Amino acid sequence: DGGITQSPKYLFRKEGQNVTLSCEQNLNHDAMYWYRQDPGQGLRLIYYSQIVNDFQKGDIAEGYSVSREKKESFPLTVTSAQKNPTAFYLCASSIVPGNQPQHFGDGTRLSIL
Amino acid sequence: KQEVTQIPAALSVPEGENLVLNCSFTDSAIYNLQWFRQDPGKGLTSLLLIQSSQREQTSGRLNASLDKSSGRSTLYIAASQPGDSATYLCASQGGSEKLVFGKGTKLTVNP
Repeated sequence: DGGITQSPKYLFRKEGQNVTLSCEQNLNHDAMYWYRQDPGQGLRLIYYSQIVNDFQKGDIAEGYSVSREKKESFPLTVTSAQKNPTAFYLCASSIVPGNQPQHFGDGTRLSIL
Repeated sequence: KQEVTQIPAALSVPEGENLVLNCSFTDSAIYNLQWFRQDPGKGLTSLLLIQSSQREQTSGRLNASLDKSSGRSTLYIAASQPGDSATYLCASQGGSEKLVFGKGTKLTVNP
């Protein structure tokens, strides 16, 4: 079945460490997105990509980095500069950027050791 | 800047009851309004998407309406079931192509 796969499901980060969250989709979607969800909060956009080798900052990009070397992959790196990384991270994709529903993965929960 | 509000934050109803979830947004210049369902520890599942030119969309027991002039959308769930228990999120999409999410309504349907 087509869908979005996020891994790992749970991730732990030590102080000063960078960690990378994986997001893979086999839906042949052009656009991909990364969101952060905190308890009792709505989703906030970190980064998005409308096409391979191009991406834009969302509302809370500081302390994060991404790459889009392949259409199906959009990994997110949480750097040591992100001082409050504990959250639930969701990856999404849509057929084309804009007026289409977004499809979501099952998320990665990141915690600090 | 678009702001999306969902009231109430939590709702508990007995099985079989019809219910309405509310979503309001401050900027009426939207392309669409989307409703999602989120189960605990899971991602979001798209339920209904209403284009700005539409007034409502229906899928099974779910009906979503959109009133751009008043900045409101509602999600109507008919004959609620325990399996409907989840958090429901609405999100608006404007010219920037980005979704702006509300904080969600946590629904509990009691058997």
